[in-house]
Amino acid sequence: EVQLLESGGGSVQSGGSLRLSCAATGFTFSSSAVSWVRQAPGKGLEWVSSIIGSGGDTNYADSVKGRFTVSRDNSKKTMYLQMNSLRADDTAVYYCVKEKRAVDTRLVRKYYFEYWGQGTLVTVSS
Amino acid sequence: SYDLTQPPSVSVSPGQTANITCSGEKLGDKYVSWYQQKPGQSPVLVIYDDEKRPSGIPVRFSGSNSGNTATLTLSGTQAVDAADYYCQAWDSTTAFYVFGTGTQVSVL
Repeated sequence: EVQLLESGGGSVQSGGSLRLSCAATGFTFSSSAVSWVRQAPGKGLEWVSSIIGSGGDTNYADSVKGRFTVSRDNSKKTMYLQMNSLRADDTAVYYCVKEKRAVDTRLVRKYYFEYWGQGTLVTVSS
Repeated sequence: SYDLTQPPSVSVSPGQTANITCSGEKLGDKYVSWYQQKPGQSPVLVIYDDEKRPSGIPVRFSGSNSGNTATLTLSGTQAVDAADYYCQAWDSTTAFYVFGTGTQVSVL
């Protein structure tokens, strides 16, 4: 059974930092891309960042680029999100998500979010 | 940036069919997934690759994608299907995941 357990959320003042962790079990972690997706209170889903299995490639939404850093430790089956220069609009539940990636015969990407963690709440006060 | 637009809300009577649309430029050229989210819970994948159902998802959930619109269809809707639904695609231009604006489905 796939399980993704986030931790590290909490309250922080604007301009502060926080590091989230996501511990994974139930699948071959080192072979899987994983992402962070967030949801502000009462709002929709927003993709934040992705990292491939080897950790050699990462990507970030424009809203967090330059402030957030995603990383992983495959020996610990854990992904991290270092969040710096936090702002009030970063307040959200942050979900750790296992991706599924494939490519069809026309080389069109078939990427989606297969499994979700329970989320951890980050509150940034101004 | 690539945008996906959904109707804010859809109402359906029990046993009837609900269609939830997701619109984006040339969306039919991409693969679309759909997620169900109930209050206080994490999202759950209900459709991937436009029309495929993960194990454990009831057959009343189906999907299609053509032109500029993807559709999630709930056939024989049940009270338990009341939730928020989000479409999602991957934008190859930016290499970003994109979510739709979300649709709240009410079963009345």
